Amino acid sequence: DVLMTQSPLSLPVTLGQPASISCRSSQSLVHSDGNNYLSWFQQRPGQSPRRLIYKVSTRDSGVPDRFSGSGSGTDFTLKISRVEAEDVGIYYCMQGTYWPTFGPGTKVDIK
Amino acid sequence: EVQLVESGGTLIQPGGSLTLSCAASGFTVSSKYMSWIRQAPGKGLEWVSIMYRDDRTFYATSVLGRFTISRDNSRNTLYLQMNSLTAEDTALYYCVRGEMANNVDHWGQGTLVTVSS
Repeated sequence: DVLMTQSPLSLPVTLGQPASISCRSSQSLVHSDGNNYLSWFQQRPGQSPRRLIYKVSTRDSGVPDRFSGSGSGTDFTLKISRVEAEDVGIYYCMQGTYWPTFGPGTKVDIK
Repeated sequence: EVQLVESGGTLIQPGGSLTLSCAASGFTVSSKYMSWIRQAPGKGLEWVSIMYRDDRTFYATSVLGRFTISRDNSRNTLYLQMNSLTAEDTALYYCVRGEMANNVDHWGQGTLVTVSS
């Protein structure tokens, strides 16, 4: 299976400041159709995960534009331009180019 | 509105069998890619099984030969039959929907399976 790693695993952030999470895959996620099937999910405390971004950079409906995704191949990044209190939770990257696998998660909390 | 409601989770002894159900509303399960994803207590996410729109099914190596995914179109319900359960299967099991293969756009609230004597 494709191994997904994330860094950092813990990210204390200041409200209003930017935050960035890195996700790396053990193999290139470029599919034969040219897409990178890399998604980002947010899991708030006590809730089910929610998809934020798919195909590297496409935001889901209702996701604030302070969330953005980038990358290609094996290196991907989720950025939050200005962290808000409601962004506290665990963020997972997931690849769907092969059998789907998730990263270990990055816990975001407020300093 | 898309809704996924799981049920069937319980405390069960090692070696036992259990079937989870996922009642869907707001769409038809046969028209989407339907999967089960699990999360062990305090742990990350593991994709367990997926059923394609054309009825093809796929499984994680950890459950291959023990778990079976299926659906009942008349009930608009997805199932996960689980056999030979071990402590490693203890987890919150989520029913999820994907508009494309190997992806998720909606999650249920999960149903807890605890395997313990």
